[in-house]
Amino acid sequence: DAGVIQSPRHEVTEMGQEVTLRCKPISGHDYLFWYRQTMMRGLELLIYFNNNVPIDDSGMPEDRFSAKMPNASFSTLKIQPSEPRDSAVYFCASSSTPVDTEAFFGQGTRLTVV
Amino acid sequence: GESVGLHLPTLSVQEGDNSIINCAYSNSASDYFIWYKQESGKGPQFIIDIRSNMDKRQGQRVTVLLNKTVKHLSLQIAATQPGDSAVYFCAENGDYKLSFGAGTTVTVRA
Repeated sequence: DAGVIQSPRHEVTEMGQEVTLRCKPISGHDYLFWYRQTMMRGLELLIYFNNNVPIDDSGMPEDRFSAKMPNASFSTLKIQPSEPRDSAVYFCASSSTPVDTEAFFGQGTRLTVV
Repeated sequence: GESVGLHLPTLSVQEGDNSIINCAYSNSASDYFIWYKQESGKGPQFIIDIRSNMDKRQGQRVTVLLNKTVKHLSLQIAATQPGDSAVYFCAENGDYKLSFGAGTTVTVRA
């Protein structure tokens, strides 16, 4: 398996634009997580899915953020409209359980909003 | 709320020496802990895990120790190598989700 695949690796966008981050989890993993990493706040869990259904989105910062998982092999995290404070590295991770086994992380998407 | 935290943000170690990275957790409900390594420009990578019914677990050159009495976790790296230079995170599963500490940056001196 190629592991968790994220795209794009880097994204630079202007404030106010819509940004869509993509993730392909490891085949067979029922859980998918979206994290955000910043120097100030570290790694924060934004949302996670179980069998394509959002289970906990309490970490989503505000209504500008939304996430979907239309099928078992694809998820998106969308920010609309984007703001400079959204600049961060966004990671997708997948696992076979929510909290009892390791989560496998993708390489991340570095987002810069100017 | 409760959170995972690290005692030291940076650690400089001589190549060949042993490294010890510490982590304090506060959620007494946590029963599963993981150490991750993150190299520059990459995602966190699993190193080793431990469940609360154990005090110690060993892997290849790494050992994790868990002290539930004082809610303390440590990662020991034997014979530290240049490739061990990275940021190390501990994570706990309290509140039904993995929560990460702030991370410790380990720099290996040649």
